[in-house]
Amino acid sequence: DAGVIQSPRHEVTEMGQEVTLRCKPISGHNSLFWYRQTMMRGLELLIYFNNNVPIDDSGMPEDRFSAKMPNASFSTLKIQPSEPRDSAVYFCASSFSGREYGYTFGSGTRLTVV
Amino acid sequence: AQSVTQLGSHVSVSEGALVLLRCNYSSSVPPYLFWYVQYPNQGLQLLLKYTSAATLVKGINGFEAEFKKSETSFHLTKPSAHMSDAAEYFCAVRPNQAGTALIFGKGTTLSVSS
Repeated sequence: DAGVIQSPRHEVTEMGQEVTLRCKPISGHNSLFWYRQTMMRGLELLIYFNNNVPIDDSGMPEDRFSAKMPNASFSTLKIQPSEPRDSAVYFCASSFSGREYGYTFGSGTRLTVV
Repeated sequence: AQSVTQLGSHVSVSEGALVLLRCNYSSSVPPYLFWYVQYPNQGLQLLLKYTSAATLVKGINGFEAEFKKSETSFHLTKPSAHMSDAAEYFCAVRPNQAGTALIFGKGTTLSVSS
């Protein structure tokens, strides 16, 4: 298996622009997670899907952030409009839904908003 | 709420020395616990996990961790450090409530000197 695939690896955009991050989970995994990592705040859970349904989006910072999972093999995280404080590394991870399973993380998207 | 605390944001050891990274959890019931490693510019990789079977858990790259209920700890150890072990290490707990995701500690950066 190719693992969790995220694109793009790097994104540089201007403040106010729309940004879309993409994730392809491991085939067969039915849970998908979006995390954000910064030096100041560490790893933060943004949103969590189970069987394509959002279960917990309490970590989404504000209405500028939205996430979708239209099918079991694809998810997007969108920021509109983007702001400099959104600069971070965004990770997607997937797993089976049982508590005993660990997550498989993608390589991340490094977002810089200037 | 369940949480993990990693003691020491930075640990430095010499090559060949014992590695000890500390993690304490708070939970009213036996949790599921995980250790992840993150190398520079990469995603997180699962090192090992405790899921209520054996209290001493062996992982990849020679790491192991021991679950101690009396001390609410899950410290990560390796008898002899290698230069390649230099990375950031995260302890995480999976709450026992349905529909919850992994909660990560703030991470410990391990430096290994020759």
